[in-house]
Amino acid sequence: GAVVSQHPSRVICKSGTSVKIECRSLDFQATTMFWYRQFPKQSLMLMATSNEGSKATYEQGVEKDKFLINHASLTLSTLTVTSAHPEDSSFYICSAPMTRSRDNEQFFGPGTRLTVL
Amino acid sequence: AQTVTQSQPEMSVQEAETVTLSCTYDTSESDYYLFWYKQPPSRQMILVIRQEAYKQQNATENRFSVNFQKAAKSFSLKISDSQLGDAAMYFCAYRSLYGKLTFGTGTRLQVTL
Repeated sequence: GAVVSQHPSRVICKSGTSVKIECRSLDFQATTMFWYRQFPKQSLMLMATSNEGSKATYEQGVEKDKFLINHASLTLSTLTVTSAHPEDSSFYICSAPMTRSRDNEQFFGPGTRLTVL
Repeated sequence: AQTVTQSQPEMSVQEAETVTLSCTYDTSESDYYLFWYKQPPSRQMILVIRQEAYKQQNATENRFSVNFQKAAKSFSLKISDSQLGDAAMYFCAYRSLYGKLTFGTGTRLQVTL
């Protein structure tokens, strides 16, 4: 199957700093990528849809200025958590649909665990 | 908006036995996809099985099968001959033809010896 990577896998930062998370589709091009947040023992909640060459689409309740998304190329999307606070501590997962696959199957990255002290 | 409901927060099954995980959803669309994903302790999301709503035949993947009842908007997952490696969180998910995935709240499956 297709591979989606995320970097870093874990990050610890101080409150008030910014953190960048990368999502890469390694063997296919993705004009769209999705960013999810998962709190402990909870489900995945879609935060935003990253679109190559245009602005991201954010879900209701997600602060655009806090979670900056840049889809720099057909294989890379980045999520920057600006001025991070402890309540931003969570598990962040990206996914990318492979348009040439049957039913645009989505492939998920391994996730990034963010801890804000 | 579509919603996905998993009413079983936790389930337990003995090794080699069969277990069924429940899922219901709400939609006004006639064509869509349904999925079951497995999330082991590593937290990597793994696709277990998919069902296309226009297909009446229930999907099957080795030990995993679904019971898709379109009129009832029900989509349960049956795991046969359960193995220790099946222990994980299982998420039911809905997706319209070209839309976003909507996940249920998940069911934690324990497999005992």
